[in-house]
Amino acid sequence: NAGVTQTPKFRILKIGQSMTLQCTQDMNHNYMYWYRQDPGMGLKLIYYSVGAGITDKGEVPNGYNVSRSTTEDFPLRLELAAPSQTSVYFCASSYRDRNEQFFGPGTRLTVL
Amino acid sequence: AQSVTQLDSQVPVFEEAPVELRCNYSSSVSVYLFWYVQYPNQGLQLLLKYLSGSTLVKGINGFEAEFNKSQTSFHLRKPSVHISDTAEYFCAVSLDSGAGSYQLTFGKGTKLSVIP
Repeated sequence: NAGVTQTPKFRILKIGQSMTLQCTQDMNHNYMYWYRQDPGMGLKLIYYSVGAGITDKGEVPNGYNVSRSTTEDFPLRLELAAPSQTSVYFCASSYRDRNEQFFGPGTRLTVL
Repeated sequence: AQSVTQLDSQVPVFEEAPVELRCNYSSSVSVYLFWYVQYPNQGLQLLLKYLSGSTLVKGINGFEAEFNKSQTSFHLRKPSVHISDTAEYFCAVSLDSGAGSYQLTFGKGTKLSVIP
């Protein structure tokens, strides 16, 4: 199993540009999550999904959108990039509630 | 809502010395507790978790943690650290039941630096 994969690894965006961060898992997990990690701040939940077709907001959803058309994929969309979105983004998945979350390697995004 | 406090942002320790990374949580209901490790430029991986049962939990790489309900703590310990333990460690909590119980709330992290 590849586990949770994320692309791209790095990206530099200009203010106002848009992009999609890709996340795929091959463990048949129902639950998937997007976090952002800022220095000294831990991880903050952006969006999560409990199954295909079901998504919901986390703690910091503003400026982001998600979709979940399949069990495997959970892309995160930035529509109008802002410097405040400079961060490291992690995707994670879990098989069921209260269980271990498996993390991808992250995408380091810089908005200039 | 639950919260997690990691009391030390950075902990330097000499190689082969013991280490304790502190974690306190706040919640009005029962919780599950986790420790994750993040090596440089990598994602997070689970070290250990407390769901129920024995309050002393053993994890990977020789780490262990003790759940103390009265003190609302879940401190991480290792009797002898190695250079390869240099990483950032995150404590996390989730509710043990109910709506949103699958969501994790993370502490801000503790950077462990092992000095040769």
